[in-house]
Amino acid sequence: RKEVEQDPGPFNVPEGATVAFNCTYSNSASQSFFWYRQDCRKEPKLLMSVYSSGNEDGRFTAQLNRASQYISLLIRDSKLSDSATYLCVVTSNTGTASKLTFGTGTRLQVTL
Amino acid sequence: EPEVTQTPSHQVTQMGQEVILRCVPISNHLYFYWYRQILGQKVEFLVSFYNNEISEKSEIFDDQFSVERPDGSNFTLKIRSTKLEDSAMYFCASSVQGAMTEAFFGQGTRLTVV
Repeated sequence: RKEVEQDPGPFNVPEGATVAFNCTYSNSASQSFFWYRQDCRKEPKLLMSVYSSGNEDGRFTAQLNRASQYISLLIRDSKLSDSATYLCVVTSNTGTASKLTFGTGTRLQVTL
Repeated sequence: EPEVTQTPSHQVTQMGQEVILRCVPISNHLYFYWYRQILGQKVEFLVSFYNNEISEKSEIFDDQFSVERPDGSNFTLKIRSTKLEDSAMYFCASSVQGAMTEAFFGQGTRLTVV
């Protein structure tokens, strides 16, 4: 089983649509959870952290279910500028510094 | 806004040659990382570095790879004898604390081994 698993997409949605991405992780000792965004041939950039209580940042809502080892990201009112690859990322502390484990990403294409 | 800077942006090298990829992390950050992304694949962890020593490394980070912080600002990744399969985008990242906090990534160095 992959450490972090995502549907690769692509998700093609019209502007204004609501789209949801899912992610599962295999390591129950994972401690922190993030969604990163990566534009084509660019570096990953943090979109938001994910907490058990769920958190919202404008049009973006992230949820974590530790029991199911499942993370989600909801984007409401999609904009053209949301087109990117969305990376599910988990960390675990195995040493002084911890490492980010990335999923393969889900590609989103928002169209007119 | 402070940022992680990497040089060069693109490096082409012949198989068997040594390359050094350079990074300047954000100045008050204490944890440094190298990741790589082969075209079309996921971002993969190579190594983390803290307090002037390697904290953790992946199985990809074999004896051909080394990291160094030669002065107070630079953080380098050296590949001793490059192989075709080392062709990838290499990202440097830094964070204030461990990866429990946000890691900021540089724009990457695209390494092409021919």
